[in-house]
Amino acid sequence: DVKVTQSSRYLVKRTGEKVFLECVQDMDHENMFWYRQDPGLGLRLIYFSYDVKMKEKGDIPEGYSVSREKKERFSLILESASTNQTSMYLCASSLGGGIYHTQYFGPGTRLTVL
Amino acid sequence: QQQVKQSPQSLIVQKGGISIINCAYENTAFDYFPWYQQFPGKGPALLIAIRPDVSEKKEGRFTISFNKSAKQFSLHIMDSQPGDSATYFCAASMASNYQLIWGAGTKLIIKP
Repeated sequence: DVKVTQSSRYLVKRTGEKVFLECVQDMDHENMFWYRQDPGLGLRLIYFSYDVKMKEKGDIPEGYSVSREKKERFSLILESASTNQTSMYLCASSLGGGIYHTQYFGPGTRLTVL
Repeated sequence: QQQVKQSPQSLIVQKGGISIINCAYENTAFDYFPWYQQFPGKGPALLIAIRPDVSEKKEGRFTISFNKSAKQFSLHIMDSQPGDSATYFCAASMASNYQLIWGAGTKLIIKP
């Protein structure tokens, strides 16, 4: 079974802090994704990566950056956390395109910025 | 043109009833339409998916109906059970793209 793990289930940070969210997948998947989930807004893509050291902006990249130094690990960085970044953050991975579009999700990190 | 519109936002169904969630899209290049199910405290997980060359796909109590001409697809849950209570997301993608375009989600509650 594909396993996607996220470093924290719950996180509380202060405004202005630098925040690191880490995601690890164990199935040698090419693609990895970071989403935020807010009530009524569904899943919004922040960044995705289709290969090591490659990244592409999603729909809402402002205020975020990412790092993918190893194939299995994809990190989301909030350079200076703000209260409007309080949200559920979900990481996902997928093998590739076409019929392999199935995305496998981690359990999420609920981030609160005070 | 990249949007997927999902309705309703929330749905309450009696146990044993049929739950129906609808999605509509504009981009005719989409060629893969999955539905994901998310339980509280968990990430979404693939439930069932369909390609546009078929009009219906059934897996147990879950059926996707696909209407290519209307650019709509729907999820039907037959004999709905309390354990089906979850948030459901439709999505769409095309083979040339790594991304899924997501609907806004439907919170389904099955009343015992």
